[in-house]
Amino acid sequence: EVQLVESGGGLVQPGGSLRLSCAASGFTVSSNYMSWVRQAPGKGLEWVSVIYSGGSTYYADSVKGRFTISRHNSKNTLYLQMNSLRAEDTAVYYCARTLKRYFDLWGRGTLVTVSS
Amino acid sequence: QSVLTQPPSVSGAPGQRVTISCTGSSSNIGAGYDVHWYQQLPGTAPKLLIYGNSNRPSGVPDRFSGSKSGTSASLAITGLQAEDEADYYCQSYDSSLSGFWVFGGGTKLTVL
Repeated sequence: EVQLVESGGGLVQPGGSLRLSCAASGFTVSSNYMSWVRQAPGKGLEWVSVIYSGGSTYYADSVKGRFTISRHNSKNTLYLQMNSLRAEDTAVYYCARTLKRYFDLWGRGTLVTVSS
Repeated sequence: QSVLTQPPSVSGAPGQRVTISCTGSSSNIGAGYDVHWYQQLPGTAPKLLIYGNSNRPSGVPDRFSGSKSGTSASLAITGLQAEDEADYYCQSYDSSLSGFWVFGGGTKLTVL
C-alpha cells in the first residue's frame, strides 16, 4: 500500500528542538520531491519545506534557518529537524509527496505543540 | 493572510450546485501556474481533489470539477451530498521570492 506515516510530534518548550519523521511505503522517497506542510489549530495549510529528488532543499521564509529537511534513502524516510521552536510553530505537520507543483499523497500528520 | 484568496464559507442544500472561487495574482495563477484543489474532511488530512486546474484523480466523483481563467480558478460541486461537508483549499505555485507552493485560506462548505 502506498502511504506516509508521520511521527515525532509532541510538546516542546519555546526555543527547543524536535525531529519529525515520515516513513514511506509503496514508493521510493528519494525518487520524488517530498514536502512538509503544516496547519496551525483552526487555520489553513502552509507549505514549510521541500527536498527535491536531486537533493536540493527549500524553505518557507517563516522557518528558514531554523528547520532542516532531509531524508534517509535506505530507510525510505523523510525528516524535519526543527530548532529554535516558537509558539507560532504549533501545528499539525504533514509530509506529502510532491508531484512537481502539487501534493498527491499526504500522511495523517503529527501534532507539534510549542508551549511552556 | 494567504497568498490565494478564497471565501471563508459557502453553503448549499443537498442536490444543489455550489462553487468556490480562488483568486491569485500575476506571480502565481496569472503567471500560468496550474491550480489544484484539496478536500479536508473534519479531523483528517487533506486529500487531492483536482489537479492541473481540471483533472480528477482516480476515485474522485465527476460531481467535482475545476476551471481556471486569468488570475482566478473555481471549484464546482454538483449534486451536493452530506458527505461533501468539508474544508476546501486551492493551491498553486508562486514565482515570487517568498513563494513556492502557496495555498488559499480555505473554504468551509456546509451542506444545509
